[in-house]
Amino acid sequence: LAKTTQPISMDSYEGQEVNITCSHNNIATNDYITWYQQFPSQGPRFIIQGYKTKVTNEVASLFIPADRKSSTLSLPRVSLSDTAVYYCLVGRGGGADGLTFGKGTHLIIQP
Amino acid sequence: DGGITQSPKYLFRKEGQNVTLSCEQNLNHDAMYWYRQDPGQGLRLIYYSQIVNDFQKGDIAEGYSVSREKKESFPLTVTSAQKNPTAFYLCASNLVGSDEQFFGPGTRLTVL
Repeated sequence: LAKTTQPISMDSYEGQEVNITCSHNNIATNDYITWYQQFPSQGPRFIIQGYKTKVTNEVASLFIPADRKSSTLSLPRVSLSDTAVYYCLVGRGGGADGLTFGKGTHLIIQP
Repeated sequence: DGGITQSPKYLFRKEGQNVTLSCEQNLNHDAMYWYRQDPGQGLRLIYYSQIVNDFQKGDIAEGYSVSREKKESFPLTVTSAQKNPTAFYLCASNLVGSDEQFFGPGTRLTVL
């Protein structure tokens, strides 16, 4: 499985756009990039998944450059409720063998 | 409502005792998983099952056991052989072929 590197923590303010970058230099050709969000004492929640270029849903956008060695999760106009840990995962599609979670990025949103 | 339930939410046990954590899903998912999370850490895979009556060890299976007798249920037993069992345990499921795993609310196990 490709190893991922994310910032340990980030701070921002309500109403701002937040970008969290994940490095995955050893990503394989058939690997997908998936992001999860976790609140304290809860299970993680799927946010978005992509393979290349840009993916957007009602919650976030995911930007993946052509070399796929990094990816950026973009959260538009964050609110206090977006304070959580965000995990970047890289692995082959299908997820049948389970997921590998690193320590994630602790995002703190201030008023 | 469809979802995954775990019980109990908090569990205390004495050293040397086995304990079983429950996980039930009504999402009709084939695959189910157990993860362990320690404070400030990511999730680590304990066991997973892609089909009834079959399961595989994850990264940290030692000291744990599972069964998958029904599609809806995937109980985890923490045995006395697990040296440091105090942790937050999460159960998840997904459709085979999908990376979107659905997680339960978790069980926090404390060994006294």
